[in-house]
Amino acid sequence: DIVMTQSPDSLAVSLGERATINCKSSQSVLYSSNNKNYLAWYQQKPGQPPKLLIYWASTRESGVPDRFSGSGSGTDFTLTISSLQAEDVAVYYCQHYYFTPFTFGPGTKVDIK
Amino acid sequence: EVQLLESGGGLVQPGGSLGLSCAASGITFSSYAMSWVRQAPGKGLEWVSTISGPGDSTYYADSVKGRFTISRDNSKNTLYLQMNSLRAEDTAVYYCAEHSMTYYDSYFDYWGQGTLVTVSS
Repeated sequence: DIVMTQSPDSLAVSLGERATINCKSSQSVLYSSNNKNYLAWYQQKPGQPPKLLIYWASTRESGVPDRFSGSGSGTDFTLTISSLQAEDVAVYYCQHYYFTPFTFGPGTKVDIK
Repeated sequence: EVQLLESGGGLVQPGGSLGLSCAASGITFSSYAMSWVRQAPGKGLEWVSTISGPGDSTYYADSVKGRFTISRDNSKNTLYLQMNSLRAEDTAVYYCAEHSMTYYDSYFDYWGQGTLVTVSS
């Protein structure tokens, strides 16, 4: 099974400042035949289901603000919120979908400083 | 607009059974794989099971294999999860999630609101 880890566990960022979340997989999720990273990011606000933000490690889902961006390849990935807004307070999860079992990172809680 | 509506959650005793449903609308249901993902109270997300669009392939987490059965009725646009031999550790909100493609190696692009399953005596 692929183990997903995230850092930090939580972070507090001032409004308008950058937030950076790291995700690491225990083995590569880059599929060589199509050069795609099978890695997604989700946002979950309290009392709500998760919402897809980023897929294929760096493709922003339709309707997601462009302050959210994903990067990385292989085993190391990053979600960046370029200018934190109040509505971005949430828990963020990375997840691989390379093969089953799909696994999620433990989550990173983002708050306002 | 894609909508996924789960139902069937509730309180069940350890060792008991429960069946969940997820009614889908706004999508060509049979074209997409579907999954169940659960979240224990205050915890993170755990993938439970996936079924392909045609229903010809199913996958399970080790924690539920042999106890849970995923199925779908494409004529009714409905996904199911039959849960048997329930344990306290199965207590969670269960979400149905639509995959972006027909088979399992795709991300979850839509989620339902979830239904709470509580296993307790």
